[in-house]
Amino acid sequence: GENVEQHPSTLSVQEGDSAVIKCTYSDSASNYFPWYKQELGKGPQLIIDIRSNVGEKKDQRIAVTLNKTAKHFSLHITETQPEDSAVYFCAASPQGGSEKLVFGKGTKLTVNP
Amino acid sequence: DSGVTQTPKHLITATGQRVTLRCSPRSGDLSVYWYQQSLDQGLQFLIQYYNGEERAKGNILERFSAQQFPDLHSELNLSSLELGDSALYFCASSRGGSSYNEQFFGPGTRLTVL
Repeated sequence: GENVEQHPSTLSVQEGDSAVIKCTYSDSASNYFPWYKQELGKGPQLIIDIRSNVGEKKDQRIAVTLNKTAKHFSLHITETQPEDSAVYFCAASPQGGSEKLVFGKGTKLTVNP
Repeated sequence: DSGVTQTPKHLITATGQRVTLRCSPRSGDLSVYWYQQSLDQGLQFLIQYYNGEERAKGNILERFSAQQFPDLHSELNLSSLELGDSALYFCASSRGGSSYNEQFFGPGTRLTVL
């Protein structure tokens, strides 16, 4: 089945710097890749997603890139702020819309003021 | 607030016991998902229901079962509990049954098995 690897497991940056989180997936049939943010004491919340017919998607300070050939996708956060501190999860949908999401193990991002 | 409610918030019980976790999806959402979150395993998908029917199954143990009722709320039953079942259990809901649909997560139930 699908396997999603996420790196790094922890990431600490200074406020204003950029943060990059990378994920790789194993199933070449996967074609939907969402990213979720989990703040302390809360459930995960979708922040951005990308489908395999698109190479990059941006939403204000957040962007996601997808390399289907290499089977990896990344989350980029620019001009980080303390409120970006959270655990971020990447996920892949093995059969693109019809199957469950497989999540990475998460990256704990700390933005230092 | 995602609109998904879960009860109870915390649950402490002993090994061998049985517990029931409850989830109410957002208004209008037909799908309910259950996830287990532990420190070393991340978010593990357990099971999905769509409009009362089981839709997809993940790594759900035989000691665990779930159902979705006609009013669309769902319950996750955990029996013969073991220490390793201690975790956060999340329920999520979505409008449709496809994984393309955004999933809205509840605040979770923290289960501690002593």
